[in-house]
Amino acid sequence: QSVLTQPPSVSGTPGQRVTISCSGSKSSVGRNPVSWYQQLPGTAPKLLIYRNEQRPSGVPDRFSGSKSGTSASLAISGLQSEEEAYYYCASWDDSLNGVVFGGGTKLTVL
Amino acid sequence: QVQLVQSGAEVKKPGASVKVSCKASGYTFTGYYIHWVRQAPGQGLEWLGWINPNRGGTNNAQRFQGRVTVTRDKSISTAYMELSRLTSDDTAVYYCAREDLYDSRGIDLWGQGTLVTVSS
Repeated sequence: QSVLTQPPSVSGTPGQRVTISCSGSKSSVGRNPVSWYQQLPGTAPKLLIYRNEQRPSGVPDRFSGSKSGTSASLAISGLQSEEEAYYYCASWDDSLNGVVFGGGTKLTVL
Repeated sequence: QVQLVQSGAEVKKPGASVKVSCKASGYTFTGYYIHWVRQAPGQGLEWLGWINPNRGGTNNAQRFQGRVTVTRDKSISTAYMELSRLTSDDTAVYYCAREDLYDSRGIDLWGQGTLVTVSS
């Protein structure tokens, strides 16, 4: 069981906006920045968001992140079929003294 | 080219150890943590630990304490992860990945992954 909680799946149609939630605790999300990763089938994860809302260069601004208290969210607007993938949130956990990941959310583009 | 290149797939018997390497190129090796993350078949990501390549300090996930050893050789910009007392539950793809030591911007570069299969 993962320390950070994500919904197992979300879905949307092309062009729609979807959000993926990530729930943690005071010692993780509550005190530390959250990052988000996209994993396409058979590939390594790719960084989408860091420090809750910052995008690395090359990541489209259709991807956005936010955080409030012990929860964070990833939003994808203008959904495209090639974004069908697994999405993971991650944070540092002060109690565990380590990096913790969410269980992952499978995004299906209908 | 900025990249992390990992060693090839391994097949090990239960009780054995495995050592995976991760060679960095195209950037200053000592300026970034190297994390180790694994993914069992059909499962999510699990963090094993990191090393500070500059000073050699390490931090391992509590559940792997005593079983995982992360080291580095600065002279060849390579990090290593050794996992001992393998069981079938350790069958997974193991990734190395980097994070800026001084200005964290997430884990921004990943290796291609190394499949470790534990089977009798």
